Amino acid sequence: AQSVTQPDIHITVSEGASLELRCNYSYGATPYLFWYVQSPGQGLQLLLKYFSGDTLVQGIKGFEAEFKRSQSSFNLRKPSVHWSDAAEYFCAVGEDQAGTALIFGKGTTLSVSS
Amino acid sequence: ETGVTQTPRHLVMGMTNKKSLKCEQHLGHNAMYWYKQSAKKPLELMFVYSLEERVENNSVPSRFSPECPNSSHLFLHLHTLQPEDSALYLCASSQERRQIYGYTFGSGTRLTVV
Repeated sequence: AQSVTQPDIHITVSEGASLELRCNYSYGATPYLFWYVQSPGQGLQLLLKYFSGDTLVQGIKGFEAEFKRSQSSFNLRKPSVHWSDAAEYFCAVGEDQAGTALIFGKGTTLSVSS
Repeated sequence: ETGVTQTPRHLVMGMTNKKSLKCEQHLGHNAMYWYKQSAKKPLELMFVYSLEERVENNSVPSRFSPECPNSSHLFLHLHTLQPEDSALYLCASSQERRQIYGYTFGSGTRLTVV
């Protein structure tokens, strides 16, 4: 069965510093991987997704993520964090089969300090 | 504007009340989903509809009753809820029931059961 682990519950980063949020997945074949962001009181917004091809994917708001099959990871990165990036971030895994739904991790809360 | 609209944004109801949550999308998507988001827990998939037909029910208590009258609208009817049902209820849609498309989420309904 598919599963997603986000090891960090809460991370605090200084504004302007770099960011890396970790995501590990469990899936037999090549998964479809997603990162979503949720601001307080809002729904989830898609940041980026990986299906195949180039393992480094670019997303919105200056985020990128790298798929590493050997490590079963899909970590999210941003070179310079802005205060507006404070939010909760969710990694999700899916597969290209009808009859399945995305599986989400528990999320990582990002705080940005000035 | 995310393309998926949920109403109401906030709802407080007693345990003996009956209420309904509404979700609307005009993205031309064929699949719609209800998720429950509780504190400290991963997103829980509740129901999946594809082309207005319910295709998945993840062992949700019968006090939650979904309805999908057409591909643009999804309802969640609530009756005799428990305090532990207090949560953020998120609606999502996707082009089809395949993960390659990802999901578009609404902003959610914050439900408090008193």
